[in-house]
Amino acid sequence: DQQVKQNSPSLSVQEGRISILNCDYTNSMFDYFLWYKKYPAEGPTFLISISSIKDKNEDGRFTVFLNKSAKHLSLHIVPSQPGDSAVYFCAASTFSSTDSWGKLQFGAGTQVVVTP
Amino acid sequence: EAQVTQNPRYLITVTGKKLTVTCSQNMNHEYMSWYRQDPGLGLRQIYYSMNVEVTDKGDVPEGYKVSRKEKRNFPLILESPSPNQTSLYFCASSPNPWDGDPYEQYFGPGTRLTVT
Repeated sequence: DQQVKQNSPSLSVQEGRISILNCDYTNSMFDYFLWYKKYPAEGPTFLISISSIKDKNEDGRFTVFLNKSAKHLSLHIVPSQPGDSAVYFCAASTFSSTDSWGKLQFGAGTQVVVTP
Repeated sequence: EAQVTQNPRYLITVTGKKLTVTCSQNMNHEYMSWYRQDPGLGLRQIYYSMNVEVTDKGDVPEGYKVSRKEKRNFPLILESPSPNQTSLYFCASSPNPWDGDPYEQYFGPGTRLTVT
């Protein structure tokens, strides 16, 4: 039972345009959300996170938006660059739980291809 | 250099032959975790450890064992591997919440395991 879903397995975008990646979750107890980026033959790397007390977090070209009522978050990359071509994973946790904050649920990933 | 190392990087084995995948980190992180990545399923957490001698099950612990006898090492043990454990495995580490951002996990490069 996958509690974090990324329904778009792939996304193609032109260089310089905006990439929007979506993620939905079903567990209302999740209170901390993250995005990881993964290149082929490498481990994932942390990109950006957001706590459920916020609805937006920005870091350079990357912005994550959280809509708790819809149980939906999105990652915006502006402007997209060829080096952004990678698989992006959404993840969620119950951070407020002292017993289970370390348990992370990941989505299936979205392959982003940025074309020149 | 801060890093998470995994060995071996590639392994082909036969059903039932016990194996261990080692994971080591040099960042003095208290939290460590194992994931497997499968097509269409993303990353699924196998086990995690919040501290030495403390381990907890993730979403797919069946068929796996772990131990955390010292802070830097977190080996993954497959006592009797089966073909459905053929996968790409990642180890990760991060600080605990009171030491830093616990979700800026540092991932190892991955271990490609094939069980025939």
